[in-house]
Amino acid sequence: DQQVKQNSPSLSVQEGRISILNCDYTNSMFDYFLWYKKYPAEGPTFLISISSIKDKNEDGRFTVFLNKSAKHLSLHIVPSQPGDSAVYFCAASVNNAGNMLTFGGGTRLMVKP
Amino acid sequence: DAGVTQSPTHLIKTRGQQVTLRCSPKSGHDTVSWYQQALGQGPQFIFQYYEEEERQRGNFPDRFSGHQFPNYSSELNVNALLLGDSALYLCASSLGWRGQAFFGQGTRLTVV
Repeated sequence: DQQVKQNSPSLSVQEGRISILNCDYTNSMFDYFLWYKKYPAEGPTFLISISSIKDKNEDGRFTVFLNKSAKHLSLHIVPSQPGDSAVYFCAASVNNAGNMLTFGGGTRLMVKP
Repeated sequence: DAGVTQSPTHLIKTRGQQVTLRCSPKSGHDTVSWYQQALGQGPQFIFQYYEEEERQRGNFPDRFSGHQFPNYSSELNVNALLLGDSALYLCASSLGWRGQAFFGQGTRLTVV
């Protein structure tokens, strides 16, 4: 029973263009959503988060959109840079728990120069 | 300021053996969660420790147990290892259970 799903295992984007990573969830109790980035041989690093009371949160080149009715969130990276190439994980939690996370399977983003 | 540190970085064990993994949280953090990341999958929550007690547990059997020490460091123990326990084990620390999780680099466990 996968409560958080990332249906695209990989995404390839040209440098300077927009990267859009998608995530769907099934548990309506989730009220806090996060994106983590992971490089090989490193642990996941926090990127951006959004509470269920919002529908958009922006931090520099990164924007997360939340559509509660569709149980869908997306991460937009504009403009994409080669250093953004990594595996991106969507995560969700209940009661704003920052360290009891349910993760999706990840999307490998490749940004080509 | 040291981040989350885990030891060892790699480990090879035989089926049926027992293993102990260790985690030192980021300075100032008091809560430690453990996650298992199988190859090609996302991390899966095992359990969380706060004030030296297990506070929450994911869908993992009793073969997985843990401990938190007074200095907030933590251990993950896995008994009767199975081939399917081969994975990257990640420790994440936070300030309280609602705090932002900071992950260590993980321990790669291979069971043969």
